[in-house]
Amino acid sequence: SQTIHQWPATLVQPVGSPLSLECTVEGTSNPNLYWYRQAAGRGLQLLFYSVGIGQISSEVPQNLSASRPQDRQFILSSKKLLLSDSGFYLCALETGSSYQPQHFGDGTRLSIL
Amino acid sequence: QKEVEQDPGPLSVPEGAIVSLNCTYSNSAFQYFMWYRQYSRKGPELLMYTYSSGNKEDGRFTAQVDKSSKYISLFIRDSQPSDSATYLCAILSNAGGTSYGKLTFGQGTILTVHP
Repeated sequence: SQTIHQWPATLVQPVGSPLSLECTVEGTSNPNLYWYRQAAGRGLQLLFYSVGIGQISSEVPQNLSASRPQDRQFILSSKKLLLSDSGFYLCALETGSSYQPQHFGDGTRLSIL
Repeated sequence: QKEVEQDPGPLSVPEGAIVSLNCTYSNSAFQYFMWYRQYSRKGPELLMYTYSSGNKEDGRFTAQVDKSSKYISLFIRDSQPSDSATYLCAILSNAGGTSYGKLTFGQGTILTVHP
């Protein structure tokens, strides 16, 4: 079965510090991968998606970037965090030639001080 | 107007009640309709999905889609305290034979089922 690993589960960072969040998946190959952010009491906002190694599409302009160095690894980064980057970051995957809904990892809760 | 609007709640019901959760959407190109359940500090978990108008049942859960009214619902029968969570509707546009489709989420409804 497919598994999504996200770490760390919780992170507290000062404003202006760099960020690297990692998502790795198991049990599938060539998945589509997604990064979402969820603010408190809000729905999910799509940040980035990737359909293959080195292929990244950004949905909203922001202080963040994403990379996909390997088929089953998706990384979310920032050079300098802002207070507004606080939130719950979720990685999701989508696989199959016919549509199967996205499955989510358990997320990283990021607090910026 | 948001593409997907969800009744925000919160909703508090006694154990055993029937729960109705609702979303409306504006884009008639939307093709797949999902319901996710999210427990506190966890990622969303897929409950059900469908692509056609009508009802789809899975145990105590029924998903209902009315494309003519652009309205989707999730019904929970015999609700249990373990059903207490945030419920998110999500709608997919342009699945179109490719593997990528964009999900648009409602803002979520917080449900509490008390014993």
